[in-house]
Amino acid sequence: SQQGEEDPQALSIQEGENATMNCSYKTSINNLQWYRQNSGRGLVHLILIRSNEREKHSGRLRVTLDTSKKSSSLLITASRAADTASYFCATAPLYNQGGKLIFGQGTELSVKP
Amino acid sequence: DVKVTQSSRYLVKRTGEKVFLECVQDMDHENMFWYRQDPGLGLRLIYFSYDVKMKEKGDIPEGYSVSREKKERFSLILESASTNQTSMYLCASRPLFILNTEAFFGQGTRLTVV
Repeated sequence: SQQGEEDPQALSIQEGENATMNCSYKTSINNLQWYRQNSGRGLVHLILIRSNEREKHSGRLRVTLDTSKKSSSLLITASRAADTASYFCATAPLYNQGGKLIFGQGTELSVKP
Repeated sequence: DVKVTQSSRYLVKRTGEKVFLECVQDMDHENMFWYRQDPGLGLRLIYFSYDVKMKEKGDIPEGYSVSREKKERFSLILESASTNQTSMYLCASRPLFILNTEAFFGQGTRLTVV
């Protein structure tokens, strides 16, 4: 079964607005990662947050992690039309379990110019 | 630059055919993965491997098998393709012994079974 569940499934905003996506997961983790996918392409890694971190920034991206609630959020500030893509969270289970990464269903973000 | 290369971007096969999807990575990563992506279902793990000749089932292994004869190559095999295997297939790799590291993805193979 899927570990991560993203919310919302789809999000439509205007350029310049902030976009927030949420991810919930079920089991203990080593880290949580966010990826971006442009239409019909492979996934590109955005940011990784370790289980002992609460917040991380990278450019216009801000990720939070709440291990007590088993949830994470990705905030994209001052969004641009070029941010239009699908965004996925992925979890690396505790004890590595052969190194697997478990993905959620993703959030489809549309940024209108 | 890390490269994960999938052999085809688009593939059309007939029902009942044996289908091979190939994936090659050039970063000496131990871990390799095959995911299937369908609308509304996200990425679902089919199989993964953490060493040559080693394989582990993911969440949806039925109807698929894999082969890892060399460290850089991970093949997904559809023994007898069916229409419900029409999907986007994504290969990825990452190091096994570095816990906090990302996965690198290929460009995807869109398979249509007719």
